[in-house]
Amino acid sequence: NAGVTQTPKFQVLKTGQSMTLQCAQDMNHEYMSWYRQDPGMGLRLIHYSVGAGITDQGEVPNGYNVSRSTTEDFPLRLLSAAPSQTSVYFCASRQTGGPYEQYFGPGTRLTVT
Amino acid sequence: GQQVMQIPQYQHVQEGEDFTTYCNSSTTLSNIQWYKQRPGGHPVFLIQLVKSGEVKKQKRLTFQFGEAKKNSSLHITATQTTDVGTYFCAAYSGYALNFGKGTSLLVTP
Repeated sequence: NAGVTQTPKFQVLKTGQSMTLQCAQDMNHEYMSWYRQDPGMGLRLIHYSVGAGITDQGEVPNGYNVSRSTTEDFPLRLLSAAPSQTSVYFCASRQTGGPYEQYFGPGTRLTVT
Repeated sequence: GQQVMQIPQYQHVQEGEDFTTYCNSSTTLSNIQWYKQRPGGHPVFLIQLVKSGEVKKQKRLTFQFGEAKKNSSLHITATQTTDVGTYFCAAYSGYALNFGKGTSLLVTP
């Protein structure tokens, strides 16, 4: 199993550009989520999904869109990038039943200039 | 928002010294998880505590869940340079797993 994969690893955007961060998992996990990590702020939940077709907002959803059309994929869309969205983004997945440990992808480092 | 508060934010120890990080909540938690993130890496699950007063050990790491299920701690005995990283506690609010801000541990040989 590849686990949770994220692409790209690094990305530089200009303000106002749009892009999609890709996340995929091959563990048949129903639950997937996106976090952003900024220095001194820990991991903050952006959006999560408990299954295909179901998504919900986390702590910091503004500026981000998600959809979940398959169990495997959970892309994160930035419609109009802003410098405040410069961060490291982690995707995670877990089973909906126990155990509740989350498996994280390697992260995408995004810089918005 | 953040359900759990973690202290300290940073800790610098000499190799061989002990280390403890604390996690506190104003509300009763159903369970608490701990993760470790090495520099440049991604968070990796360490353990989940569920029961009031629960204590679990993993080699030199000891995890505790408070009797009131409002606090937790991670204690590392005789730190090693391999312990360097940031330790996070995390708790569920419904389906959302919310993380504390973490404690960054630096170990000097």
